[in-house]
Amino acid sequence: DAKTTQPTSMDCAEGRAANLPCNHSTISGNEYVYWYRQIHSQGPQYIIHGLKNNETNEMASLIITEDRKSSTLILPHATLRDTAVYYCIVRVRTGGFKTIFGAGTRLFVKA
Amino acid sequence: DTAVSQTPKYLVTQMGNDKSIKCEQNLGHDTMYWYKQDSKKFLKIMFSYNNKELIINETVPNRFSPKSPDKAHLNLHINSLELGDSAVYFCASTPTGGSGTEAFFGQGTRLTVV
Repeated sequence: DAKTTQPTSMDCAEGRAANLPCNHSTISGNEYVYWYRQIHSQGPQYIIHGLKNNETNEMASLIITEDRKSSTLILPHATLRDTAVYYCIVRVRTGGFKTIFGAGTRLFVKA
Repeated sequence: DTAVSQTPKYLVTQMGNDKSIKCEQNLGHDTMYWYKQDSKKFLKIMFSYNNKELIINETVPNRFSPKSPDKAHLNLHINSLELGDSAVYFCASTPTGGSGTEAFFGQGTRLTVV
């Protein structure tokens, strides 16, 4: 699985959009970009994933650059409950979920 | 209904003891995993089972022995516990063996070895 680089921490005001960047310059053509988050003391929670096109679901939007070397997770209206560690992972969809999670980005949403 | 449930949530035990952590998923998934999250917060895979068959074993000491009585359960037994085993252990499952989409995680078991 390709390596990812994320900022250690970020702040966001409640109600504003939170934009979390991720660099994955060595991503392969068959690797997807996945985002998970871990709220304190809980298990990681799946957020969204994509291959080439931008994706949106009820939780977030995922913007992937045309060269696929970076992506941004967007939480459109961050709430205090979105305070968590966000993990960006790139992996193929086959071969089992063998992923090692990196350090992620600690997002602090402030009132 | 909890999709992936682990018991116990907290476990404090002395060095040298043997303990087990249980995991059950009610999602109908074929593949289950054990992850370890250490004090530095890195989540690392330990084992993966597909339909009761071990498919991933990531250089884990043989004191750790996973057991899958059926595809809905994956238990983790640890012999001769050491201080370094203190961590949070997460169970997870994915929809189909091999073609993983998103993984569903349990709430974790915080193991403290004293």
